[in-house]
Amino acid sequence: DIQMTQSPSSLSASVGDRVTITCRASQNIGKNLNWFKQKPGKAPEVLIYAASTLQSGVPSRISGSGSGTDFTLTISSLQPEDFATYYCQESYSFMWTFGQGTKVEIK
Amino acid sequence: EVQLVESGGGLVQPGGSLRLSCAASGFTFSNYWMNWVRQAPGKGLEWVGNIKFDGSEKYYLDSVRGRFTISRDNARNSLYLQMNSLRADDTAVYYCARDHRVVAPVMDVWGQGTTVTVSS
Repeated sequence: DIQMTQSPSSLSASVGDRVTITCRASQNIGKNLNWFKQKPGKAPEVLIYAASTLQSGVPSRISGSGSGTDFTLTISSLQPEDFATYYCQESYSFMWTFGQGTKVEIK
Repeated sequence: EVQLVESGGGLVQPGGSLRLSCAASGFTFSNYWMNWVRQAPGKGLEWVGNIKFDGSEKYYLDSVRGRFTISRDNARNSLYLQMNSLRADDTAVYYCARDHRVVAPVMDVWGQGTTVTVSS
């Protein structure tokens, strides 16, 4: 099974900060990597798919990069609505795996 | 409007069974793979399994294989999750999610979730 490791597990940041979350796969997954955002009590929503493609309707301050085993989600200027938990997820294998999540909190 | 609505959650005793449903609307259901994803209280997301658009292929998380069965009825635009031999660690919110396969597979539409509690 493919293991997905996110870092950090949590971070505190201020509005306007640049935030970077990393995700590492235990084997080469090409660009089969998606990023999701989840707010408490709500369903997840996709932000980025295929490692770097912005989902329709997602603001351009959010971007994704990487391929192979190392991936990054970047929020260029954190906004109040960005405080949430973020998950990476591989779609390379037949049995998909999520990272453990990164909680972005207000400093 | 593209929409997924889950139902069927509830309280069940360990060893019991439950069947979840997911009603799809606003898109051609029979063209899409579909997934189940769960989230235990206070924990992260866990993919449970998926089913091909025609039902001919199914894949499962190791810990549910043999206990859970995913099925679909394309005529009714519905997805199902039959859960047997339920355990306390199956307690979670269960989401259905559409699987859009263009550049790469991505779960692009999610339901609101239905809660399953396994407890005596």
